[in-house]
Amino acid sequence: DVKVTQSSRYLVKRTGEKVFLECVQDMDHENMFWYRQDPGLGLRLIYFSYDVKMKEKGDIPEGYSVSREKKERFSLILESASTNQTSMYLCASSLPQLNNSPLHFGNGTRLTVT
Amino acid sequence: QKEVEQNSGPLSVPEGAIASLNCTYSDRVSQSFFWYRQYSGKSPELIMSIYSNGDKEDGRFTAQLNKASQYVSLLIRDSQPSDSATYLCAVNRSNYQLIWGAGTKLIIKP
Repeated sequence: DVKVTQSSRYLVKRTGEKVFLECVQDMDHENMFWYRQDPGLGLRLIYFSYDVKMKEKGDIPEGYSVSREKKERFSLILESASTNQTSMYLCASSLPQLNNSPLHFGNGTRLTVT
Repeated sequence: QKEVEQNSGPLSVPEGAIASLNCTYSDRVSQSFFWYRQYSGKSPELIMSIYSNGDKEDGRFTAQLNKASQYVSLLIRDSQPSDSATYLCAVNRSNYQLIWGAGTKLIIKP
């Protein structure tokens, strides 16, 4: 069974802090994704990666960066946290052909920036 | 216009009835369509995918796709209280990207 593990379920950070969100998957999936989910807006893609050290911007990359040094780990970095980054962050992984492979999500990290 | 649109609900359906969830999309070249279910406080999980015009059935769930009209729907027969959740429609933009609707909250009343 695919497992996607996000390091924290809840995080509270102060404005201006550098924040690291970690995600690890155990199914050798090539694709990994970071989404944020806000009420009424659905899931919005921040960044994705289709291979180690490869990264692509999604729809809302501003204020974020990512790192994928190992296949199983995909980190999301908030360079200088702001209150508008308060959100639920979801990590997901999948096989290469997204059209034929479901996304497997982690449990999410609810981040509050004060 | 949003790329993928869903009625936010809540949609209230009596137990045992058919729940009908709808989704429209704007990109005519989209080829793959997905329904995910998200329970409150949980992550989304895939319940149906559909790629061709027509109906696709899986147990109590039927996905319907009409590419000419650019809509995809999900029917849930014999609705159960455990079906109460938010249903997310997702459409592929590319091999690596899905575009998501904001979801429809479904409430099954016993």
